[in-house]
Amino acid sequence: GAVVSQHPSRVICKSGTSVKIECRSLDFQATTMFWYRQFPKKSLMLMATSNEGSKATYEQGVEKDKFLINHASLTLSTLTVTSAHPEDSSFYICSAKSGGTDTQYFGPGTRLTVL
Amino acid sequence: GQNIDQPTEMTATEGAIVQINCTYQTSGFNGLFWYQQHAGEAPTFLSYNVLDGLEEKGRFSSFLSRSKGYSYLLLKELQMKDSASYLCAVNNAGNMLTFGGGTRLMVKP
Repeated sequence: GAVVSQHPSRVICKSGTSVKIECRSLDFQATTMFWYRQFPKKSLMLMATSNEGSKATYEQGVEKDKFLINHASLTLSTLTVTSAHPEDSSFYICSAKSGGTDTQYFGPGTRLTVL
Repeated sequence: GQNIDQPTEMTATEGAIVQINCTYQTSGFNGLFWYQQHAGEAPTFLSYNVLDGLEEKGRFSSFLSRSKGYSYLLLKELQMKDSASYLCAVNNAGNMLTFGGGTRLMVKP
């Protein structure tokens, strides 16, 4: 149980385009989903927290207009990187938790490369 | 502020025991997680300590002392596949996770 998927696993895009990353909880209802960013050999940095049906809460320094988060259902959250630039290249990981537990379960991550 | 410290790298021998320490100073504390992360993959859940003491799960054990702001992850009978990064994360107010920098463990034959 507690499986989280992400799609795509890898994406390469041109500078200026937008990229959408999907995060799905496959066997549980995720009341809260989290989006993290990880640079090589570094730990995870929380970008934003999203609760189903409400606006995401962004961490300080994360541009909400650049990283659009939608948590439309209890099993799906999306992160859209708008007008991507090479510095947005990174490993993006989502996690999900249900209301009855503190444990976050992580998706397999999406490696974004912006040329 | 939030401050979570763990060693950057550790090396151990196959079959041995290794202890990875984590100290924390955070605003709010609901519990402490340990995750394992292989290079290029997402973290996988290892343990969650809410109360003081030792929790054992097979070859892995995790200890917590809330008064000392201290936790450790103990790995016994090390295997080559245990080579990975081990992330300490504090579950603080609002059930958000703050991660330490991770400890890269290399297991040698």
